[in-house]
Amino acid sequence: RKEVEQDPGPFNVPEGATVAFNCTYSNSASQSFFWYRQDCRKEPKLLMSVYSSGNEDGRFTAQLNRASQYISLLIRDSKLSDSATYLCVVNKGSNYQLIWGAGTKLIIKP
Amino acid sequence: ETGVTQSPTHLIKTRGQQVTLRCSSQSGHNTVSWYQQALGQGPQFIFQYYREEENGRGNFPPRFSGLQFPNYSSELNVNALELDDSALYLCASSPPTNTEAFFGQGTRLTVV
Repeated sequence: RKEVEQDPGPFNVPEGATVAFNCTYSNSASQSFFWYRQDCRKEPKLLMSVYSSGNEDGRFTAQLNRASQYISLLIRDSKLSDSATYLCVVNKGSNYQLIWGAGTKLIIKP
Repeated sequence: ETGVTQSPTHLIKTRGQQVTLRCSSQSGHNTVSWYQQALGQGPQFIFQYYREEENGRGNFPPRFSGLQFPNYSSELNVNALELDDSALYLCASSPPTNTEAFFGQGTRLTVV
């Protein structure tokens, strides 16, 4: 079993729709959690950190459920520019040795 | 711009050769981590250097080795290249507070 699992997609979503991704992780001792965005053939870029209390950044909302060991990302009012691969990332310890999911591909259609 | 720079950006090598990839970390960052991202996969942790010492290693064979220099820049060396080593190699630097990892643009290695 992979340490971080995501649905690879692709998710084909019309512009303006709401889309949600989930991710599960296996190590209950994991300390911090992130969503990264990666455009084709580019490096990953931090989208947002994920907290148990939930956090929101504009159209993006992230949530962590430690009891069930899953992380979610919600994108509202999706834009064409949101098309990318979204990677779920877990930091097991305090030293940023990151464990990555394989990513979920999102395609926003006009 | 994250302030983390990697060189070269692209590289083609022949199976069996050796390669050295370089990473210049952001000013003040004393921790550098290397990741390998094969096509269609998430990045895989190779190893991390903290103040010139290896500080953790992922599931990679010994032919993957590294160095960190006193200015905290780093090298990743891969010996006896295999076709499966073809990937995007990412370097990330972190500050002493370990609050975030900042990624370079990556080196795309193709082994033929």
